[in-house]
Amino acid sequence: EAGVVQSPRYKIIEKKQPVAFWCNPISGHNTLYWYLQNLGQGPELLIRYENEEAVDDSQLPKDRFSAERLKGVDSTLKIQPAELGDSAVYLCASSLESIAGVNEQFFGPGTRLTVL
Amino acid sequence: AQSVSQHNHHVILSEAASLELGCNYSYGGTVNLFWYVQYPGQHLQLLLKYFSGDPLVKGIKGFEAEFIKSKFSFNLRKPSVQWSDTAEYFCAVNAGTNAGKSTFGDGTTLTVKP
Repeated sequence: EAGVVQSPRYKIIEKKQPVAFWCNPISGHNTLYWYLQNLGQGPELLIRYENEEAVDDSQLPKDRFSAERLKGVDSTLKIQPAELGDSAVYLCASSLESIAGVNEQFFGPGTRLTVL
Repeated sequence: AQSVSQHNHHVILSEAASLELGCNYSYGGTVNLFWYVQYPGQHLQLLLKYFSGDPLVKGIKGFEAEFIKSKFSFNLRKPSVQWSDTAEYFCAVNAGTNAGKSTFGDGTTLTVKP
């Protein structure tokens, strides 16, 4: 079974530039998560989708971050414009949720973003 | 809001030593608890989870964790560590009205000396 796929794995951009990350979850998983992970810290949830609906985006900085999950499968996370403080690892995870919060999340390898 | 505290940031052990990593959470209601592990160069993956029943749960690779509700704790244990257990360990909790949201601790880096 293929795992969660993310691309790119690494991205270096200058501040004020836009950047986009792509995630393909495990086939059949209805719930998709985007996390931000700073060095030395645990993942912090940015947005959670159930199918194509964003059910929790309270931690997403909506002035510069946006996300979409068209057709309830792949997802894209965008930052425009990027700031120096956005340098971090962006993780995507998916799960098959019959009851919210019970099932494990499967994580992708992450995208390491460096903003210069 | 729920929070998770992992008290040990970096633990160094010799092979065959016993391991206990602390995890405390702040939420008074029903919780689902997880330990995830990230081996060097690999993805985060589930070690074990608790959502109901026996508070002592067993996971992969000989790990276990005990849910103590009165102490708001979910400590991870292993009686005898191996060099291959060198990794970063994250405790996570799902709780409350937003049960689908996982809150992670900041992780504990375990280094096992051969």
